[in-house]
Amino acid sequence: GEDVEQSLFLSVREGDSSVINCTYTDSSSTYLYWYKQEPGAGLQLLTYIFSNMDMKQDQRLTVLLNKKDKHLSLRIADTQTGDSAIYFCAEQSGGYQKVTFGIGTKLQVIP
Amino acid sequence: GAVVSQHPSRVICKSGTSVKIECRSLDFQATTMFWYRQFPKKSLMLMATSNEGSKATYEQGVEKDKFLINHASLTLSTLTVTSAHPEDSSFYICSASRDSGNTDTQYFGPGTRLTVL
Repeated sequence: GEDVEQSLFLSVREGDSSVINCTYTDSSSTYLYWYKQEPGAGLQLLTYIFSNMDMKQDQRLTVLLNKKDKHLSLRIADTQTGDSAIYFCAEQSGGYQKVTFGIGTKLQVIP
Repeated sequence: GAVVSQHPSRVICKSGTSVKIECRSLDFQATTMFWYRQFPKKSLMLMATSNEGSKATYEQGVEKDKFLINHASLTLSTLTVTSAHPEDSSFYICSASRDSGNTDTQYFGPGTRLTVL
């Protein structure tokens, strides 16, 4: 079945760049997502990339996709304390649009 | 656009009671809605997929008689947790998609935290 893996924890200093990595197994993925979840809150879609793209940039966020290696990354430039949250990588595939989530990476921003 | 709401945001109930959670697409018609469950410090797990007017498709291991899903209109899906027990305590999140194919993204609701005492 589909599997999405990401590291559990990342700590960065305020102002530095954060890079959160994700690997997935399904080669038929169509969309790949990054969601942010703050404590006690629901999911906030940060950005997504279609599988035929290599890169997408949206303000401080840069998504890189290496489809050959099935590797997705999210770079947050000039990381702020408000960026502290759990970031979920997810991939969508299949005729029923099934979305498979990673376990989430907890980003801690140190002032 | 593409806003999905859930109600209630939090619910506490006694063991043995049933709880209904609503998921609404506010500004679009959702052909397909999805229900996810998030365990503490775990990822989201898809529970079921529902298309308007038809029976939901449940993922393996999800009891359909325990988690009743109704998708009666293009803007509303409900999840009823029947005879809830403490192990059903979790964060339930719905999402909605505008089409039933593989071309649209899913828009997620804010989630409902269920606590069963």
